[in-house]
Amino acid sequence: DAGVIQSPRHEVTEMGQEVTLRCKPISGHDYLFWYRQTMMRGLELLIYFNNNVPIDDSGMPEDRFSAKMPNASFSTLKIQPSEPRDSAVYFCASSRGGAPMGYTFGSGTRLTVV
Amino acid sequence: RKEVEQDPGPFNVPEGATVAFNCTYSNSASQSFFWYRQDCRKEPKLLMSVYSSGNEDGRFTAQLNRASQYISLLIRDSKLSDSATYLCVPENYGQNFVFGPGTRLSVLP
Repeated sequence: DAGVIQSPRHEVTEMGQEVTLRCKPISGHDYLFWYRQTMMRGLELLIYFNNNVPIDDSGMPEDRFSAKMPNASFSTLKIQPSEPRDSAVYFCASSRGGAPMGYTFGSGTRLTVV
Repeated sequence: RKEVEQDPGPFNVPEGATVAFNCTYSNSASQSFFWYRQDCRKEPKLLMSVYSSGNEDGRFTAQLNRASQYISLLIRDSKLSDSATYLCVPENYGQNFVFGPGTRLSVLP
């Protein structure tokens, strides 16, 4: 299995631009999670899906952030418009059966908003 | 009280030393506990699960103390390759993980 695949690995964009991060979970995994990591705040859960349905988006910082999972093999996290404070590493993770089974993380997308 | 607390370190230890980290959690309903390891500029990777009876995997031993609500990780005979950040992770009501801030370990030659 190729693991959780995220793209792009790095993204540099100007303030105000739209940014789309992509994730392909491990085949057969029914949970998908989006996390953001910064030095100041550590790993923060943004949103998670179960069977493609968003379950908890309380961690999404504001309306500029949106996430979709149109099918079991693909999810996007969109920021529009982007701001410098959105600069962070964004991780996607998937699991079969949710938290009790442990997560597999993707390599992350390092986002820099200038 | 924060949901998960860890000493950020860094713990600087010589090769061959034994080092232990503790992690306290506030959600008494948590049933599953894990230690993840994160190398610099990499993703977190599952190190080991923590069961009520403890768990040992080679040089690594993890234990759970439900009464005091903490989990621990013991590393024996430290290697240079053990240098990383160790994240304590209790699950949150069976749904998702709340990650601790992590403890940074540097094993020195």
